[in-house]
Amino acid sequence: EDQVTQSPEALRLQEGESSSLNCSYTVSGLRGLFWYRQDPGKGPEFLFTLYSAGEEKEKERLKATLTKKESFLHITAPKPEDSATYLCAVHPGVQGAQKLVFGQGTRLTINP
Amino acid sequence: KAGVTQTPRYLIKTRGQQVTLSCSPISGHRSVSWYQQTPGQGLQFLFEYFSETQRNKGNFPGRFSGRQFSNSRSEMNVSTLELGDSALYLCASSLAGSSIVYGYTFGSGTRLTVV
Repeated sequence: EDQVTQSPEALRLQEGESSSLNCSYTVSGLRGLFWYRQDPGKGPEFLFTLYSAGEEKEKERLKATLTKKESFLHITAPKPEDSATYLCAVHPGVQGAQKLVFGQGTRLTINP
Repeated sequence: KAGVTQTPRYLIKTRGQQVTLSCSPISGHRSVSWYQQTPGQGLQFLFEYFSETQRNKGNFPGRFSGRQFSNSRSEMNVSTLELGDSALYLCASSLAGSSIVYGYTFGSGTRLTVV
C-alpha cells in the first residue's frame, strides 16, 4: 500500500534558524513527489515537483531534495511568513492512477 | 487568471441530510479531483474526473459520488450525512490527462459541518 510519513508533526523555530522537514515514502513506482504549503483555512499551494532520486529544486528560502526513499524540505533563514503546514504527496506509478497520496503534514511555526 | 473556485465556502448540515458541493476548475483544465481533509486522517483522495468520466475512485463508501459536466465543472454529492463526514472538502484541477506533468492546483475548499 502506498504510504507517506512526514516528520516532525510540528516544528517551532526562531526567525533565521534553518532546519529540515522529512518525508519518507513507500509507493508502487514513484512518478513524482510533490511539496505543498497550506495556510489555515486555505487549500494547499504548490511548491515543487521532484521526479527522480538526486533531483533538487529551490524557491526563495526553500530547497527540496529527493532520494529513493525520502525527500527533505530544507528551510534556510526562515521568516515568520514561512509559518504554515507543509504537505508532502506522492503520485503512484500505477497506470491511470491520477491521484496523490498525502502525508499528515508538518506544522511549522517561525517566531520573530 | 482565476483559480479553482469552490462553492459554498461553509456549510452546516444535519445528520441524515444530503449535500452537493461545486467546483469550477481553472479555465482549460479538464481533470478535476476531490479530496477530504480531516485532522485525524489528513488529505484523502475521493475521486478524479477527466472529460466527464470518473477515472479513479478512493476508498470511500458509495454515499460519496460525483460528476463532471461538459464545461469541466464538477460536483460532489454526499448522501445520508454522518457526523464523521465533517471535513474540509478540496477540489484540485489539472491541465490535461497527465497531472504528473502539469501538477494540481487546489481550491480553498468547502468546510462542511454535520450536526
